[in-house]
Amino acid sequence: GENVEQHPSTLSVQEGDSAVIKCTYSDSASNYFPWYKQELGKRPQLIIDIRSNVGEKKDQRIAVTLNKTAKHFSLHITETQPEDSAVYFCAARSSSASKIIFGSGTRLSIRP
Amino acid sequence: GAVVSQHPSRVICKSGTSVKIECRSLDFQATTMFWYRQFPKQSLMLMATSNEGSKATYEQGVEKDKFLINHASLTLSTLTVTSAHPEDSSFYICSARALAGGINEQFFGPGTRLTVL
Repeated sequence: GENVEQHPSTLSVQEGDSAVIKCTYSDSASNYFPWYKQELGKRPQLIIDIRSNVGEKKDQRIAVTLNKTAKHFSLHITETQPEDSAVYFCAARSSSASKIIFGSGTRLSIRP
Repeated sequence: GAVVSQHPSRVICKSGTSVKIECRSLDFQATTMFWYRQFPKQSLMLMATSNEGSKATYEQGVEKDKFLINHASLTLSTLTVTSAHPEDSSFYICSARALAGGINEQFFGPGTRLTVL
C-alpha cells in the first residue's frame, strides 16, 4: 500500500522567512496530493492540493510542487506569519483507492 | 465547503464499556466515509474505509471486531469502540467523500476525543 514520508518533523523559521516541507510517496498510482494544516485539537484543514497532471500550483503565499518521476512533492510557505504556526501534513491518494494516506507531520513554529 | 459533523465531541468512559461515535455529512451525500485515529503528537492513521450499504474495509492491524463500523446511509457512518481500554484513548476523526458533482475532496469532521479510564 501507499507510504508517505515527510520531513522535517519540526521546523522553526523567523517570521518573514520561507518554510519548506518535503514529502515522498511510494505508490506510483497516486494522483492526488493534498496538504493539511492542523491546529491543536482541531480537524485537519485543507490548505492546498495538487493533482498528478500538474507540476506546480500556487495560492498566495503557499505553493506546492510535484515531481512524479522522483515521487516527491513539497510545500512552500513564503513570508511566514505567526498564524502559520501549526502542524502540517502532506498526504497522497491513488487512483485505484479512495483513501488518503497521511505523512507523519511537520510542526512549524514561526519565531517573532 | 461541505460540512461533516461528529458526535460526541468528547467522551469519557470506564474501561470495558462500549462507545459509539457518529459521523454525518450534513449537506452532501457521501459514497465513502473514512475513520482515522490520531494519538497525541502523531499523524492521522487510517483505521477503515466504509461504503454505504457494504462492509467496511479495515487497515492492517485494526481489529474489525473491536472497532465496529456501520454505514447505513449516504449521510451517516458510526464507529463503535467495543470493550474500550485505556490504550484506545485517542482522537477519532471521520471524513467523507462526496458522491458526485466533480467534488474530489474529502471533508473532515471535527473529531471525537475519547478518554478511557
